[in-house]
Amino acid sequence: GAGVSQSPSNKVTEKGKDVELRCDPISGHTALYWYRQSLGQGLEFLIYFQGNSAPDKSGLPSDRFSAERTGGSVSTLTIQRTQQEDSAVYLCASSYQPLGASSGANVLTFGAGSRLTVL
Amino acid sequence: KQEVTQIPAALSVPEGENLVLNCSFTDSAIYNLQWFRQDPGKGLTSLLLIQSSQREQTSGRLNASLDKSSGRSTLYIAASQPGDSATYLCAVRSGGTSYGKLTFGQGTILTVHP
Repeated sequence: GAGVSQSPSNKVTEKGKDVELRCDPISGHTALYWYRQSLGQGLEFLIYFQGNSAPDKSGLPSDRFSAERTGGSVSTLTIQRTQQEDSAVYLCASSYQPLGASSGANVLTFGAGSRLTVL
Repeated sequence: KQEVTQIPAALSVPEGENLVLNCSFTDSAIYNLQWFRQDPGKGLTSLLLIQSSQREQTSGRLNASLDKSSGRSTLYIAASQPGDSATYLCAVRSGGTSYGKLTFGQGTILTVHP
């Protein structure tokens, strides 16, 4: 597609429910990132994919959070048993970063985000 | 652990002023640094990217400089316009490769009055 697409754009859920957030990166982009932006906070790194594997998932806050990427394209971020502190905007970004290449700018293109509100 | 700080947190200026946004980072071993713009309810738009070997980058009225050894970057906006109103974010990629996460500052909220 022309840009990074995220869905849903808004999600309101009750505490304890599971939610899935979807990211559709730019076609051909090999790298995919998830970030979280809480009210009054900066962007917090969650996880990074290169192809279908996740070399860095150090930012996932707890084992309630998981993410997968299939076919080197779409990624899903799943939050189980949501808590009020999970309320935030979840941002996805993608970039073209060839596997095995360690140089280059690797400019990220961000989606508009999914706003999650846990009541 | 890399930490990124942006000063000021908010800035309000009349149209036409030249202004400087500041970014500092604690670990100078960075690969590159990016400045982004974020408009309310929207994602981030990349403005400028400076590789660690570069000193500055320019795009239109924007100029970003990088002093890696002192852990600082500035974003200079010339002849500011109301349309420049947004949150400006600085982000650094640490390490020696183009892989991996960006660490973001908390941003500077800029308001340009007509």
